[in-house]
Amino acid sequence: EVQLVESGGALVQPGGSLRLSCASSESTLSSRWMHWVRHAPGKGLVWVSRIDSGGSETNYADSVKGRFTISRDNAKNTLYLQMNSLRVEDTAVYYCAGARFGRNGMDVWGQGTTVTVSS
Amino acid sequence: QSVLTQSPSASGTPGQSVSISCSGSSSNIGSNTVSWFQHLPGTAPRLVVYKNNQRPSGVPDRFSGSKSGTSASLAISGLQSEDEADYYCAAWDDGLSGVVFGGGTKLTVL
Repeated sequence: EVQLVESGGALVQPGGSLRLSCASSESTLSSRWMHWVRHAPGKGLVWVSRIDSGGSETNYADSVKGRFTISRDNAKNTLYLQMNSLRVEDTAVYYCAGARFGRNGMDVWGQGTTVTVSS
Repeated sequence: QSVLTQSPSASGTPGQSVSISCSGSSSNIGSNTVSWFQHLPGTAPRLVVYKNNQRPSGVPDRFSGSKSGTSASLAISGLQSEDEADYYCAAWDDGLSGVVFGGGTKLTVL
């Protein structure tokens, strides 16, 4: 069974930066679109970004566009999310997910990493 | 305000059936397939339906999905206590060039 493990979450001040990582237990995810989805306290799931299997095509939610960058290293079976100019409203648990079934069919998820933006 | 609209709550007793609805528009549900996710806060979300009505392996056939026009539904029959969770619909949105989620429906098994 494929496993995803996120890391990099931390407490950071507004305006700061973080880089999240998502390591996969096997290389099969290299053929999948990969996504970042976040869950803020008391709120619903919110899609953040996605990257295609080759790493050349990316999309972002308007709320993070220009501040976050998604990337992947298929040789290392790792997905990244570089987060700059962090805001209080970016506070959330961040999940990485792999989509096997179409653009929104995310069938494998990590356990999440917590990002807290606070002064 | 979520792009896809879901009722905030639903409930049923063990053994009953319940339906959760998801309303969108021509740029998302109207032109793309719908997925449904089960989520217990603090745990990894779980895909229960993809491509409108397909179940991943391991998901009981008590879960079924349907889509008509710009709306979709998730039906759960033979409710069990372990079905108590938050349920989210999701679809690709052509105008936003991204995935949009519903606001989530909290299912309570009484």
